[in-house]
Amino acid sequence: SAVISQKPSRDICQRGTSLTIQCQVDSQVTMMFWYRQQPGQSLTLIATANQGSEATYESGFVIDKFPISRPNLTFSTLTVSNMSPEDSSIYLCSVLLSAGVGETQYFGPGTRLLVL
Amino acid sequence: AQKVTQAQTEISVVEKEDVTLDCVYETRDTTYYLFWYKQPPSGELVFLIRRNSFDEQNEISGRYSWNFQKSTSSFNFTITASQVVDSAVYFCALSEAGSARQLTFGSGTQLTVLP
Repeated sequence: SAVISQKPSRDICQRGTSLTIQCQVDSQVTMMFWYRQQPGQSLTLIATANQGSEATYESGFVIDKFPISRPNLTFSTLTVSNMSPEDSSIYLCSVLLSAGVGETQYFGPGTRLLVL
Repeated sequence: AQKVTQAQTEISVVEKEDVTLDCVYETRDTTYYLFWYKQPPSGELVFLIRRNSFDEQNEISGRYSWNFQKSTSSFNFTITASQVVDSAVYFCALSEAGSARQLTFGSGTQLTVLP
């Protein structure tokens, strides 16, 4: 597995502001992902963070709202822009690792965001 | 399209009881992975197990065991002699095409173990 950290672990923000979440991995990984988990819900993939190119967004998520950076193979950021209370969620990053016969996604500790 | 169903929204047991969490999946692919993750109240998603579609062997790890049955498209998770620390939301997930890049998660089962 890998050691994955996220900053901040939690935050309370005012509507209309933006928050940047950082994800750091202790080893180089090709693929990193960002997920959103709304209260009481399952996880939804926001985008795949590609190193050296634009992120690949899932249906319903756009770059203007969730810009993502991936400057190297150990780090990525997700920005939640122009926040509204509906953005209150846990945001998780994950990395894809090969282990034995196959691949597994390992997740960071998450960032709990509350928008007032 | 792939789909994962966890019909049990919430389960409550008393400590030391055994409990089984159900997971039923749908896929047209012949090569796929199935996963279980645990999310304690802290929010972190902890990987528990991956099962490849070509490996139907059941697996046991301590108090945890998994029953994979292709015939019923199920991948159930049993905790034996449950403990309070097992209280968490448990997610079953599926990925297709021999890659774990696109995970489809079930809705999760909230397990509460009472002392």
